[in-house]
Amino acid sequence: QTVVTQEPSFSVSPGGTVTLTCGLTSGSVSTTHYPSWYQQTPGQTPRTLIYDTNTRSSGVPDRFSGSILGNKAALTITGAQADDESDYYCVLYMGSGFSVFGGGTKLTVL
Amino acid sequence: EVQLLESGGGLVQPGGSLRLSCAASGFTFRSYAMSWVRQAPGKGLEWVSKISGSGDSTYYADSVKGRFTISRDSSKNKVYMQMNSLRAEDTAVYYCAKNGGVYFDYWGQGTLVTVSS
Repeated sequence: QTVVTQEPSFSVSPGGTVTLTCGLTSGSVSTTHYPSWYQQTPGQTPRTLIYDTNTRSSGVPDRFSGSILGNKAALTITGAQADDESDYYCVLYMGSGFSVFGGGTKLTVL
Repeated sequence: EVQLLESGGGLVQPGGSLRLSCAASGFTFRSYAMSWVRQAPGKGLEWVSKISGSGDSTYYADSVKGRFTISRDSSKNKVYMQMNSLRAEDTAVYYCAKNGGVYFDYWGQGTLVTVSS
């Protein structure tokens, strides 16, 4: 069974740049997986950041960007701010109506 | 403004049943697929099920297949999740989400389901 992988945790300094990745235990991530990214702070509803690999959702600042890097999807945060400290989840579309979440990355800004 | 409001969560014994509802507004309901996503306490998000805009097609995660049934009523702009044979591991906050293509573009606030004796 293919699993979607993410770094369990990451840290970034305020003002710094961080790239979170989303991979597969078997195979490569491509645009045909329509990678999407979601931000969730504890106790809050998820917020949609990026969809279709690199399209920002309405109201999302342009310091959030999505891409394919090598064989993984990637979420890059440029100029990290304190309120970017959250959990970040990727989702890959596996075809035939099925989507799979990654395990999430806990981002610390310090 | 898109709004999704879940209801129906609560405490249920193992083996019991529960039906969740999601009331949708602010968009052309029958034009969009809808999904349920859950989050166990302290854990990550898990896609559970999806129903097409017409209601003709349904999809389930392996973890709930055969026990959960998703449905929708376009006359009421509601999506439902009938959950049977509930297990302790089904304990989670259940979110209703609107599909914008194959991703989730709007989320409800969630409803907590606790399976415990």
